Formats: sequence, C-alpha cells, structure tokens
Amino acid sequence: GAGVSQSPRYKVAKRGQDVALRCDPISGHVSLFWYQQALGQGPEFLTYFQNEAQLDKSGLPSDRFFAERPEGSVSTLKIQRTQQEDSAVYLCASSPPPQEAGANVLTFGAGSRLTVL
Amino acid sequence: GNSVTQMEGPVTLSEEAFLTINCTYTATGYPSLFWYVQYPGEGLQLLLKATKADDKGSNKGFEATYRKETTSFHLEKGSVQVSDSAVYFCALVRNSGYSTLTFGKGTMLLVSP
Repeated sequence: GAGVSQSPRYKVAKRGQDVALRCDPISGHVSLFWYQQALGQGPEFLTYFQNEAQLDKSGLPSDRFFAERPEGSVSTLKIQRTQQEDSAVYLCASSPPPQEAGANVLTFGAGSRLTVL
Repeated sequence: GNSVTQMEGPVTLSEEAFLTINCTYTATGYPSLFWYVQYPGEGLQLLLKATKADDKGSNKGFEATYRKETTSFHLEKGSVQVSDSAVYFCALVRNSGYSTLTFGKGTMLLVSP
C-alpha cells in the first residue's frame, strides 16, 4: 500500500481483556517496528522484525505483550490481560532492508490508541 | 545508552515569529539525527534529517544543523505559520544495523494568527 496502515484506530478495553492490534506495512518493506507512545511522551521502542523474524523484543514491557509477523508482511501486537498502564498509542513503522538506501528512515502509521478502563 | 533531550513545551508563538526548538543528544558512535512532526490525529512524519557532523537538514522552511561538538540538533524556522502547529520530536538512530529510533519527549508548538 501507499502507507503504513494500522487498525483499529481506537480501542477501549476493560482491564483484564486481551487486545490485538494490526499493522499493514508498506509493500516491500522488510523491516517493521512497534513503538509505544504514552500521553505526553515520545515513542518508545517495543520490538523489531526483519521479514518474519523477530530480531529484537527488548522493549516489550512484560510477558503480556506478544508480537508476530508470520508471513513477513502484516504484523499483530497482542496484549494479554490488559492493565491501565497499557493505555497508550501503539505505533507501527516500516522501512527498507538495513542494507538499502533510506533504511534508517521509518514511515509511521497513524497509530492505535488503546484505553484500558 | 542513547538519549535525546528536547525543550519542554508548549512553545507559543505568533504567526511569522522565529522558531527555535532545542535538542541535545547522548549517543555512542556517530548517530544520524532526525526531526519528526506529529500533526493532530496523524502519524509521525519525517521532517528532516542529518547523517553526519556539520550536515544541515532542511524541509518546508525548517532547518537543523548536526553539531557534534555540542551534541545538538536544534530546529529552526524563520517565520512560522498557523499550519506549523504540531508536536515536534527530535530523534537519533545508530548508523549500524537496524534503525531503532530513540526519541525525545516532544515539544508542542502552538502558532496563533
């Protein structure tokens, strides 16, 4: 597609519910990133995929957070047993492969705003 | 580790005023530096970048110079417009491997007519 598409744009969950957030990156972008942006803060890195391989998950805040990209394209970020502190905007970004020109320029989606009550 | 510090907002200006948003960084090696902008209800958009010392990034009248000696990348614009109202994020990325961006906390700019 022309840009990075994320869905849903808004999600309200009751505490304890599981949620799944979807990211559809730019076609041909093998690198995919998830970031978490709390209110009034800058985005913070969660995890990185190169194709279907999850090469870095050092930013995931707990084992309730899980991300996958089984076919190297669409990615899903899943949060189990949501807590109020999980309320944030979850941003997905994609970029060309590390060895290509423009690899360090990320294109971001509009984000999924999660509110946990 | 890597970190980015930028001035707190909101920055409130009248149209046609001069803008400076300060950004300093701490990093190992020689990172690339970026300014991203986030308009209300939209995703982050790359505004400009610089990949090595003394480079100047520029776009839409905004510019920033990579200053290695002061570890700074201040954003400037000579004459702001109401449409520039947004949140601006300074960020860096290491120049090896994959591009994990480290962001500052963001600075909100409000421009009034």
